[in-house]
Amino acid sequence: SQQGEEDPQALSIQEGENATMNCSYKTSINNLQWYRQNSGRGLVHLILIRSNEREKHSGRLRVTLDTSKKSSSLLITASRAADTASYFCATDEGGAQKLVFGQGTRLTINP
Amino acid sequence: DTAVSQTPKYLVTQMGNDKSIKCEQNLGHDTMYWYKQDSKKFLKIMFSYNNKELIINETVPNRFSPKSPDKAHLNLHINSLELGDSAVYFCASSQDIGLPQYFGPGTRLTVL
Repeated sequence: SQQGEEDPQALSIQEGENATMNCSYKTSINNLQWYRQNSGRGLVHLILIRSNEREKHSGRLRVTLDTSKKSSSLLITASRAADTASYFCATDEGGAQKLVFGQGTRLTINP
Repeated sequence: DTAVSQTPKYLVTQMGNDKSIKCEQNLGHDTMYWYKQDSKKFLKIMFSYNNKELIINETVPNRFSPKSPDKAHLNLHINSLELGDSAVYFCASSQDIGLPQYFGPGTRLTVL
């Protein structure tokens, strides 16, 4: 079953602007993770936020988690061309021994 | 110093053939995974091994058989390949279940 659903499916912005992607999920979670996938490459882990955390930062990345709404957002500030990639959220679906990934947001940064 | 490596990177084969994909991680992780990513980029877990023991088998056809000879290796053997098996297969590893996963570069399988 698909747990995380990202929104929007595709996002195109100018270099220097901020990019926000959203993820919604269905069941309770222990943590939520965000991954990046460049074209033709494997996924790269970006950030993990636990269910008892509301916000987390890593460099230009800011992740929020609202467990009451079962949603998370990933904000990339001051975007760069190198940020062009697909971004996926993944949840552990109620503590199950696996991650369930959404279909991702395809982000394009225009120079 | 590749953390998670997969071979081959590309695999083109005929329907009905049997093929294998190899995966190795040098991170000292206890848990390894196989994922399938379809043409719409949907990533779905297939198998998960923890300390060489199978812990997840996600209703994958039994034509797919994982083998973990040791904690650092998780290979995937596919029998009687079908057109619908065409996808990108990713191996991944993590220190433990639920922790960040490290992905290999993927193997693009094309069944003709």
